[in-house]
Amino acid sequence: DARVTQTPRDKVTEMGQEVTMRCQPILGHNTVFWYRQTMMQGLELLAYFRNRAPLDDSGMPKDRFSAEMPDATLATLKIQPSEPRDSAVYFCASARTEYNEQFFGPGTRLTVL
Amino acid sequence: AQTVTQSQPEMSVQEAETVTLSCTYDTSESDYYLFWYKQPPSRQMILVIRQEAYKQQNATENRFSVNFQKAAKSFSLKISDSQLGDAAMYFCAYGHQGGSEKLVFGKGTKLTVNP
Repeated sequence: DARVTQTPRDKVTEMGQEVTMRCQPILGHNTVFWYRQTMMQGLELLAYFRNRAPLDDSGMPKDRFSAEMPDATLATLKIQPSEPRDSAVYFCASARTEYNEQFFGPGTRLTVL
Repeated sequence: AQTVTQSQPEMSVQEAETVTLSCTYDTSESDYYLFWYKQPPSRQMILVIRQEAYKQQNATENRFSVNFQKAAKSFSLKISDSQLGDAAMYFCAYGHQGGSEKLVFGKGTKLTVNP
């Protein structure tokens, strides 16, 4: 049963620390998305990649956030330095261009104290 | 930019009854997809149903069906024979040209199912 995996599932950190979240897309999927979910803003797109190339990162605060795909099996989202307002659930999703469906990972719940 | 509006923050339904969740959207595109996602307390996002804008026929998946009104830019979800397991947050989402493009989500509707 193919699924998107994300690590860690939960992360508590102190303000100013670096946070790295990882995502393994479903094998064969060529598109990877990062979404953030908060009570105030709901679900919003941060960035997405196709064939490992960034297509849109306009939703991401550029000064502290960075997203990369070192290879086709790994996507990373990094926050440095983290701030309390970054507390949220971060979802990774993957898709294959020919199929009209995104598959979501279980999310990483980030709490910045 | 596309926007998605869910005007019902919370809804409740009796078990075995039918409930309809509302969604409206705004777009100037003619080719797009619409989705309903379910998010139970486990926080996993689960696709419930999708609709291609070019199809006039409303999508159906078992107890879930949609009423897609393209001219009115309305996309409601009907859940028939509601079950306790249907209790969750439901999100309406707009997809540019398909599900493999970025999604724009509504703020969600929390559905409670009463036994």
